[in-house]
Parts: sequence; C-alpha cells; structure tokens
Amino acid sequence: AQKVTQAQTEISVVEKEDVTLDCVYETRDTTYYLFWYKQPPSGELVFLIRRNSFDEQNEISGRYSWNFQKSTSSFNFTITASQVVDSAVYFCALSGYTGANSKLTFGKGITLSVRP
Amino acid sequence: DVKVTQSSRYLVKRTGEKVFLECVQDMDHENMFWYRQDPGLGLRLIYFSYDVKMKEKGDIPEGYSVSREKKERFSLILESASTNQTSMYLCASSVGGELLANYGYTFGSGTRLTVV
Repeated sequence: AQKVTQAQTEISVVEKEDVTLDCVYETRDTTYYLFWYKQPPSGELVFLIRRNSFDEQNEISGRYSWNFQKSTSSFNFTITASQVVDSAVYFCALSGYTGANSKLTFGKGITLSVRP
Repeated sequence: DVKVTQSSRYLVKRTGEKVFLECVQDMDHENMFWYRQDPGLGLRLIYFSYDVKMKEKGDIPEGYSVSREKKERFSLILESASTNQTSMYLCASSVGGELLANYGYTFGSGTRLTVV
C-alpha cells in the first residue's frame, strides 16, 4: 500500500525566512512518481513538481528546491526567502506507474503561513 | 491545455437525495479520479478508473459509487446523501505509464457540496 506522511501540520514563518516542508513516503513499487502541489486560499491545486523514482537529482526552481532521497524515502521541499504569497497548504503526493497503481496518494498537507 | 471540468462549483442537497457529480476531461486521458478534501485530512481517494467501464475503490468508497461509460466522463454518485458527505470534491485525470512523467495529473476546480 502507498502512504505519504507529512508530519508537520502547520508552519508559521516571518517573511524572508527559509522553510522546509518534510515528506516521507512508503511504497512497494520500484517505479513511482512523487509530486508537490500548492493549494492557495482560492482552492485550486497548483502543480509544483513531479519526480520519477529513477531520478534522484535535486531540483531548484527559483526560490523553490526539492531534495529527493530514496535511502530515507523522503522528498522534502524548501522555500528560500519566503514571501507572503507562499502562504498556502502544500501537499506531497505519490503515484505508481500504470493501471491500478496510477492512483495519486496525498499526504494530509502542511499549512504554511508567512507573516510580513 | 488539458481541462478537467466539474459541472458545479457549489451544490446544496438534502439528506437522502441521490446526487450526481459530473467530471469531464478533454485530453483523452486513461485515468480519472474522485477525491474528497476535508480540513486536516488532506485529499482522500474515493474511486478511480483507469479505463472505460473499469473502476477501483479508493480509500473511502463507502456511500459512493461511480460510472464511466465514456472515456471523457467520470461521474460520482451519492446514492443517499448524508450530512457527513458535506465536503469539497475534486476530480482529476491523467495519462498512464511513461507518459505520466510528461503530463502528470490535472485537477478540476472542485465542487463544494453541502448536504443539509
């Protein structure tokens, strides 16, 4: 069975602080995908990143960076120099490869509040 | 761009009513999903379908059924709505297999259902 754990439920930081959102996953699949989504107050899910299980390279996109470590089954997300617009709920998710394994399993989400 | 359209943004129904939530995607995706989102619980998978007329139970299928007669349409049915089914319902679609790396999942805007 697939499982995604986001142990942090709420994080509050002051603008310009760096913040890391943790994600730990469990799966028996050898091929899988990991995702991060952002859900701002407007409610729509915004796709941030997708990672294939064969690609452990870390990724940086502007102020966002992701650290994927298969050895610890973790896929952590860091926001550098946070801004008020980063305030949202962030979800980590996991999916298998094909057919019945294609379902996307979400963590419970982390509510990030960035104060001015 | 792929679009996933949910027929209603807001819906109010009475206890005991049969409720249909409709989802249509326009990109010939094999996979379609229904989730419900509740505060503190994240997104939980109700049902998914990886082919026409195929369906698989997700984590919380009780009280729900689904129908997928055509590839582009995936309907969620509440046979007899109850107040504990008041929630935000999100539909998603995706391609399968290797193409998932390129196209990921696409979510609809959600239907906020209130059962009174």
